[in-house]
This record gives sequence, structure tokens and C-alpha cells, in this order.
Amino acid sequence: EDKVVQSPLSLVVHEGDTVTLNCSYEVTNFRSLLWYKQEKKAPTFLFMLTSSGIEKKSGRLSSILDKKELFSILNITATQTGDSAVYLCAVSPKNSGGSNYKLTFGKGTLLTVNP
Amino acid sequence: DTGVSQNPRHKITKRGQNVTFRCDPISEHNRLYWYRQTLGQGPEFLTYFQNEAQLEKSRLLSDRFSAERPKGSFSTLEIQRTEQGDSAMYLCASSLGGTANSPLHFGNGTRLTVT
Repeated sequence: EDKVVQSPLSLVVHEGDTVTLNCSYEVTNFRSLLWYKQEKKAPTFLFMLTSSGIEKKSGRLSSILDKKELFSILNITATQTGDSAVYLCAVSPKNSGGSNYKLTFGKGTLLTVNP
Repeated sequence: DTGVSQNPRHKITKRGQNVTFRCDPISEHNRLYWYRQTLGQGPEFLTYFQNEAQLEKSRLLSDRFSAERPKGSFSTLEIQRTEQGDSAMYLCASSLGGTANSPLHFGNGTRLTVT
């Protein structure tokens, strides 16, 4: 059975701090690892990683995947109060067509950024 | 792109009643997924469709649950004889299938409370 473990489960920081969120996984026939941000409602897509060692970056957020050690990290620099959310990590196996299909999620990391 | 739309946003029902939720995916997406999320947990996979075909169902989906996607566009999820343990957020997501390795995009969910 596919499995995703995220750490820490919660984190409180001050505005301006840099944070690193961790995700380790086990999946049969790996296709992708995805990061989502969830505030009160829908998880919103951040990154999809398929290859080791290639950093994905979007503004103050970045993420990298290590397929040998089966983990990924999500970094947020110069945190702002608007970054407060649950960050979810998920993995997808490869279906017969080679693409993502279902995701297995971790429990998430609850990040609170205080002013 | 209007995003994934779910209705209703909230549903309160008494134990034993039947409920039905609707999901309208992003128009060009041929894959549609249902997930369930409880407090403090990541979303859990329930089932997915490629066009109108239901290709996989989780063992979490008891025989009281049924999902349909009759014309390969919108989908409905029905829960019969609801139980208090069915209280959760029900999330719908959609993606492009085939050779495209697209991420899943989620709707805002339907929050079900069974009293």
C-alpha cells in the first residue's frame, strides 16, 4: 500500500523566517510527487516533481525530490502571514497510460506564520 | 477555466437519510476523482472515472456509496442510509488523462454533517 509521511505535523514561525517541510514516501511504480496548499477549502496545486535533483521554484517557494532516498522537501523563504495553511504532500503511481491517476496524501503540515 | 465546481457547499442531514453531491470538473478534463477528508487528515481516495467509466474504487467506498458520471462530464456521489461516521469533507478533483501527466485540480468540497 502506498504511504506518505510528512513532518513536522505542525510548525509555528515568525514572519520572515525560512521553513523546510519534509515528505517521505513509499509507492509502487512511482510517477509523481505533488505538493498542495490547503487553507479553509480546496487544496491548491503548488508543484509536481517527477525527476530527482531538479528544483521547482515559484516565488518564495521551492521544492526538490530525491527518488533514491524517497523524500521531498518544500522550502518557503521570507514567510508571510498569508503562507499560513496546511501543506499536503501526495504521491501518484503510474497507470497503464503512464500518467498520474490517484493520489495518496500525507496528513499534512500545519504552518502558522505569526506577524 | 472556471475550476472544479461542487454543490452543495454544506449539507446537514439526519442519520439514515440519503444525500447526493454534484461535481462539475474543468471542462477539458476527462478524469474525475472523489476524495474524502476528515479533520487533521489528508484527503483519502474514494474512486475515479475516465470519461464515463468508473475505473477504480477504494475499499473505503462501502456499498452505501455510489458514484456516477453518466455522460463523462459532471459526476454525482450518493450516500445511502447515512451514518455519523460519514461526516467529512467530500472533495472532487479532475485532471487530463492519457499521456498528459497533469496534476489533479480540486474543488472546494462539500462538507457533510450527519446528526
